[in-house]
Amino acid sequence: GAVVSQHPSRVICKSGTSVKIECRSLDFQATTMFWYRQFPKQSLMLMATSNEGSKATYEQGVEKDKFLINHASLTLSTLTVTSAHPEDSSFYICSARDPRDNSPLHFGNGTRLTVT
Amino acid sequence: KQEVTQIPAALSVPEGENLVLNCSFTDSAIYNLQWFRQDPGKGLTSLLLIQSSQREQTSGRLNASLDKSSGRSTLYIAASQPGDSATYLCAAWSKVGSQGNLIFGKGTKLSVKP
Repeated sequence: GAVVSQHPSRVICKSGTSVKIECRSLDFQATTMFWYRQFPKQSLMLMATSNEGSKATYEQGVEKDKFLINHASLTLSTLTVTSAHPEDSSFYICSARDPRDNSPLHFGNGTRLTVT
Repeated sequence: KQEVTQIPAALSVPEGENLVLNCSFTDSAIYNLQWFRQDPGKGLTSLLLIQSSQREQTSGRLNASLDKSSGRSTLYIAASQPGDSATYLCAAWSKVGSQGNLIFGKGTKLSVKP
């Protein structure tokens, strides 16, 4: 079946530094990938839609200059949290749509970001 | 604006019991509805996907129903096991902006006691 790989699974960084999270579709080409964020005891909230070869579409309230998304190929999207602060500590998870089947989204295993 | 609500927020049952998790959504114009399982600190595992034209889907001990007109879905788990302990998320695939997106509920945390 389709697999979405996300790396790293956990990252701890110091306040002010940048962190890059990768999302790869392993056996299908994904023209669209989605990035979600989940705070403790909250639902997953869509942050942005990553489109291969074009600019990402950000949801209201999500700073595009802080959360940089690059979808340079059909199998890779990256989310860079720039100048991270403790309030950015969260669980980030990506998903991708396999155009070959009717299931809209396959999810990565997520990245636990802790900013100290 | 689509909102998805899950009740209860947490549930604890003894092993072997049958149980029902509830999900409601405010906008009935959905493409489909999907149930996921999330283990602590982990990603999502898709359990069942119900297309908007369907009424239910079954997989093993799991059965999910969909009633678009009332904006409700249920996940029925038969003969629960300790391994079923996890958070169960309901998500409605809705038209948002120029393309569809999954709108998630906050989940129901299930604990099955041996």
